[in-house]
Order: sequence, then C-alpha cells, then structure tokens
Amino acid sequence: GAGVSQSPSNKVTEKGKDVELRCDPISGHTALYWYRQSLGQGLEFLIYFQGNSAPDKSGLPSDRFSAERTGGSVSTLTIQRTQQEDSAVYLCASSYNLMETQYFGPGTRLLVL
Amino acid sequence: GESVGLHLPTLSVQEGDNSIINCAYSNSASDYFIWYKQESGKGPQFIIDIRSNMDKRQGQRVTVLLNKTVKHLSLQIAATQPGDSAVYFCAETSAGGTSYGKLTFGQGTILTVHP
Repeated sequence: GAGVSQSPSNKVTEKGKDVELRCDPISGHTALYWYRQSLGQGLEFLIYFQGNSAPDKSGLPSDRFSAERTGGSVSTLTIQRTQQEDSAVYLCASSYNLMETQYFGPGTRLLVL
Repeated sequence: GESVGLHLPTLSVQEGDNSIINCAYSNSASDYFIWYKQESGKGPQFIIDIRSNMDKRQGQRVTVLLNKTVKHLSLQIAATQPGDSAVYFCAETSAGGTSYGKLTFGQGTILTVHP
C-alpha cells in the first residue's frame, strides 16, 4: 500500500516568510509524528498526534512553529516568519498506534535564504 | 537529557562481509528500540525493532541484539551488499512519562560497502 507522503518535497523561501508543510500518513494510522533533521542537530522530535490531539508540544523549537491535524489524517506543520536556522529536512512518520513502528515519509527539504 | 549515541561514526566493509553497528543508550526506562536505514535524499527506512523483554531478534540478513545490563544495542548485517550502504540510526522510546511515542535517535553510522 501507499506509504507516508509529504509535500512539497523541496521548498525555498525567503527569511520572514511563512511556510506550510503537509503530511499524509499511512491509511489507518492513528499516530502521526513530525521530526526535523539538520546537520548540526541530527534527527530531533518535534511533535506527535494521537488522533487529532497533540498532547505534548514541548519539542517545537519556538512559538513560530505550530502543527495541526484534522480528520485524524492529514497534518500540516506551519513555520511563521522563517529564519535561516529553520533550514532542515522536515520528516513526518506515522504508526498504527503509539509505541508501534513508525514509518517515515521522504521529507520536505526546507531552505530559508 | 537522555540520549542515544553511537560508538563509531563510519564503517567500511567489503561486499560479503558481516557488518556490526553499535549503539549505546542512556535512558534505563527505554523499552522499545528500532534500527533505521537512511539513504541519501530519502527518509529513514525501518529495518528491525526489538522490545525490552527480548535480547535478540532476527530478520532477513539482519539481527538486533539488546543488552539491557550495559544499555547497548547492535545491528548485525550478514553478507553485506553494496545496496546496504547508507546511514544507520538507532532510536529508542519508552512507554512511560513524557517520552511516550517520541523517538530519540542516535547520531548515525555511515556504512560503506565496497564491491
């Protein structure tokens, strides 16, 4: 079946602009996760959803970052007023339930100029 | 804070050799461990996982060993092939507390397989 999909695959934006990243999880997966991968920080957890609820937002780097999930499916990660340090690969993963195997999408490569 | 780390950042092997990639973790509450493979330009790909009630699990050409006493995890790849060349990450999580559902990743090991 189809895996996790993310869009766009690449995004170049100017400092100060807002960006929206989208994740389509595997059908039937109730849990959805966002991670960020950068050269200096490795893979870091940002936020997870169980259904439409995000119980823990402490991994988000700043209040410029927000995420939502509607209908228990698609999720969007929004970065407002982007900064150059936001440049990274943003990865989405989903799992059937929490504590089950997380399957990753291909990521969105964000470059902030 | 708690972290998962790798002993060796790079590993170079000949095709057909067996490879062993190691990982140390520090969170004694961790109870679920996963190995991922990441090729250039792609997202991490699940290889194999193990829960803390086991010390060994085998898949196709891969074996994961867990030593809870010394908090050590290893991935063994048998008969390594050029297609196995990638970055390998260990990750851990625990069912309790604020770590629930969050994967903490190691730094990664670059495996290069020479034909």
